Amino acid sequence: DQQVKQNSPSLSVQEGRISILNCDYTNSMFDYFLWYKKYPAEGPTFLISISSIKDKNEDGRFTVFLNKSAKHLSLHIVPSQPGDSAVYFCAAQDSGNTGKLIFGQGTTLQVKP
Amino acid sequence: KAGVTQTPRYLIKTRGQQVTLSCSPISGHRSVSWYQQTPGQGLQFLFEYFSETQRNKGNFPGRFSGRQFSNSRSEMNVSTLELGDSALYLCASATAAGSTDTQYFGPGTRLTVL
Repeated sequence: DQQVKQNSPSLSVQEGRISILNCDYTNSMFDYFLWYKKYPAEGPTFLISISSIKDKNEDGRFTVFLNKSAKHLSLHIVPSQPGDSAVYFCAAQDSGNTGKLIFGQGTTLQVKP
Repeated sequence: KAGVTQTPRYLIKTRGQQVTLSCSPISGHRSVSWYQQTPGQGLQFLFEYFSETQRNKGNFPGRFSGRQFSNSRSEMNVSTLELGDSALYLCASATAAGSTDTQYFGPGTRLTVL
């Protein structure tokens, strides 16, 4: 039972354009969501997070949107840069299980110069 | 601040052996979580330690165990290694301050079981 799903295994965008990565979840107990960026053979790097009491959080080029009724979140990267090329993971946590992140399968983003 | 450190970075073992991996959290962080990453299963939660106690556990067999020391450093142990245990093992630390606690990951230990 996959509680966090990233249905697009890969995404390719042109440099300077917007990248939109999507994530769906099934567990309504999740109340904190995070996005991580990962390169092969390295640990995930934290990008941005959002609490379930918000619907949007911005940090520089990165914005995360949360739609609780649809159990959907998305990460927007504007403008996309070649250095953004990596695997992006969506993760979720519920406050009754802090310390336990449930990850999606990841989306490989390629930003073409 | 120094980040999360994991040792060793690479390990090669044979089936039936046991292995111990080490994790030093970010200074001031009291929670340490462990994850396994494989191509087939993705990133899966193993267990989490806080104040030297296992607070949360994932769906892994008892061959996987861990502990946390009073300085918050943590070790995980895998006994009777199987080929399927080959994976990247990741450790993450957090302040354990509340429900919006962010986990920061180390570089991982790549374990190969032959």
